[in-house]
Amino acid sequence: ETGVTQTPRHLVMGMTNKKSLKCEQHLGHNAMYWYKQSAKKPLELMFVYSLEERVENNSVPSRFSPECPNSSHLFLHLHTLQPEDSALYLCASSQASGLVTDTQYFGPGTRLTVL
Amino acid sequence: GNSVTQMEGPVTLSEEAFLTINCTYTATGYPSLFWYVQYPGEGLQLLLKATKADDKGSNKGFEATYRKETTSFHLEKGSVQVSDSAVYFCALSDQAGNQFYFGTGTSLTVIP
Repeated sequence: ETGVTQTPRHLVMGMTNKKSLKCEQHLGHNAMYWYKQSAKKPLELMFVYSLEERVENNSVPSRFSPECPNSSHLFLHLHTLQPEDSALYLCASSQASGLVTDTQYFGPGTRLTVL
Repeated sequence: GNSVTQMEGPVTLSEEAFLTINCTYTATGYPSLFWYVQYPGEGLQLLLKATKADDKGSNKGFEATYRKETTSFHLEKGSVQVSDSAVYFCALSDQAGNQFYFGTGTSLTVIP
C-alpha cells in the first residue's frame, strides 16, 4: 500500500475523446508529480506541483493539461491525443517542497491506449 | 546535458547469486543519484539514494556507491531472492532538484 491511488487503472480512448486521469494521495504530502512511462524509454517527468502551484513544466504538449485543486488531488486532462501518447502515466507525491530530491511515493499508474 | 545510462536487460539469475546492475551518468554540477524499483503491477518505490560523491546508499541488502571519478552508481546485492524480481531504474536529479532523469530500466528475474 503506497498511499497513492490512481484511477482509472486502464483507459482506452480515441483521438477525438476528452478524458481525465485522477491521482489521490493519502500521505499528507505537499507536492505531486505526473510522469510518462513509455516502453523502452526512460521515465519522463511531465509536471510538478508544490502546494497546489505548478513549479515545473517540461515542454509537454498542450493536449495534456494538469490540474491540482488541493494538495491531495492531481488530475491530468487529456484531449485530442495521438497514438504515440499511449503509455503508463504515473503519479507521485512527496513530503516537502516539490524538489525531485525528496523521496517520492508512486501510484500504480494508469495504462493509457490511444486508438 | 544530464542523462542516465543503465545496462540493458533482461537479467536472469538463480537465487543467491550476486547481482550487479550498471549505471553511469552524465551531469553538470552535483547531482543526486537514486535507484528505484518497480514490482509487477505496482508503481515505483525508492530503493536507495546518495546525495554526494562517495556516499553509499543501502536498503534491503542492496547497495550503490556514488562514484564521481567514474560517474557511476552501480547497484549490487550479494545474494538475490525470488522476491527481488522487478524492474530497477537508475535516476539522477539535477543540482537544483527540479529535474529528474531516469534510465530505461533493467528487468531482473530471479529463479529458484
